[in-house]
Amino acid sequence: EEQLLESGGGLVQPGGSLRLSCAASGFTFSSYAMSWVRQAPGKGLEWVSAISGSGGSTYYADSVKGRFTISRDNAKNTVYLQMNSLRAEDTAVYYCAKDGYCSGANCYPTSFRDWGQGTLVTVSS
Amino acid sequence: DIQMTQSPSSLSASVGDRVTITCRASQGISNYLAWFQQKPGKAPKSLIYAASSLQSGVPSKFSGSGSGTDFTLTISSLQPEDFATYYCQQYNSYPYTFGRGTKLEIK
Repeated sequence: EEQLLESGGGLVQPGGSLRLSCAASGFTFSSYAMSWVRQAPGKGLEWVSAISGSGGSTYYADSVKGRFTISRDNAKNTVYLQMNSLRAEDTAVYYCAKDGYCSGANCYPTSFRDWGQGTLVTVSS
Repeated sequence: DIQMTQSPSSLSASVGDRVTITCRASQGISNYLAWFQQKPGKAPKSLIYAASSLQSGVPSKFSGSGSGTDFTLTISSLQPEDFATYYCQQYNSYPYTFGRGTKLEIK
């Protein structure tokens, strides 16, 4: 069974930093891109960032570009989201999701079938 | 970036009804369109991928159609467990984008 388990959320002051982790199991982790999606309280879904299976390509929403960094450790089957310069508007539940299938340098888009349970990030003084 | 315009934002219906939700992309996305259902406090659940393909385990009362820029999700014979919020998402190109959601409520 494919599983994704996020961790690392919590309360942080504006301007602070936090690193989220997403541990994957049940599939060949290095063969898939991974994405982070967030949802502010009472709001809709917002795609945040993605990373290719090899880690060689990364993508960001404009709202987090320059502040957030996505990375992965294929030996540990884990994807990370380093969040710096946090703002109140970054307050949200953050989900990781299994993204497209990657073969060599190419990744093929697939929809997000598998999601984690989410981890809450609260940015407040 | 590709904008996804989803309508209506809310919808009131009765048990047994059939409803349709639409999603329009600001540019062509072929069939790289997914639909999700989300209930309060839960992660989104994938219903439809590639515009019209049903995810494994999802009942056939859910159906999707469309290609290019215009897409629909139809839910037939509504049951109490179907009342939730539904989102479309394009995965044609990064940044992937979601519609703003449709909250389906019991009339």
